Amino acid sequence: QSALTQPPSASGSPGQSVTISCTGTSSDVGAYNLVSWYQQHPGKAPKFVIYEVSKRPSGVPDRFSGSKSGNTASLTVSGLQAEDEADYYCCSYAGGNTLVFGGGTKLTVL
Amino acid sequence: QVQLQESGPGLVKPSQTLSLTCTVSGGSISSAGFYWSWIRQHPGKGLEWIGYIYHSGSTYYNPSLKSRITISGDTSKNQFSLKLNSVTAADTAVYYCARIIDGTAAVGLWGQGTLVTVSS
Repeated sequence: QSALTQPPSASGSPGQSVTISCTGTSSDVGAYNLVSWYQQHPGKAPKFVIYEVSKRPSGVPDRFSGSKSGNTASLTVSGLQAEDEADYYCCSYAGGNTLVFGGGTKLTVL
Repeated sequence: QVQLQESGPGLVKPSQTLSLTCTVSGGSISSAGFYWSWIRQHPGKGLEWIGYIYHSGSTYYNPSLKSRITISGDTSKNQFSLKLNSVTAADTAVYYCARIIDGTAAVGLWGQGTLVTVSS
């Protein structure tokens, strides 16, 4: 069970859109529509912003959206705001009642 | 609303057992619909799923840690616990207890996390 692959960093200017990828395998991301995304500000616990590939929990702005194609899931943050600067992690169900996380992406708002 | 709070020693000696407890308030660990989980984060690193316990008592563990982990629940205290034995410095991390929504594999609720350092 290997960690999902995310780019270490991403950036964008306020108002722009940025997309973060999360690549797994046909045994995890590709096999199930059970990918979730988490936002983590420094020193804080993560908070989920997307689940089941593209669903938004209550209270999460619609600027956050998710998608999946094959073994790669993506998180798009539109209309970037300063408060979106954080670390983002993807997570996928990997079968056999196991979960696997990605290595994380540091999003910088320029 | 439901809240999770980790507790336990912040310092553990190498080769000993790390023991943490998560106290759940505002909800019951016996309720169907959720898995109660432990997740850790090494300093400056990413998240690692450790394992979870279902309301039925069934447990599921990360294969890479399975030989050293036990997760258990105490419904009378509304708590669940993690024991990780034979610890090394590589087990130094912030440990989070969390609640996973059944059927979604989504970690919908997190505790604040507790730093456990393994050092002599």
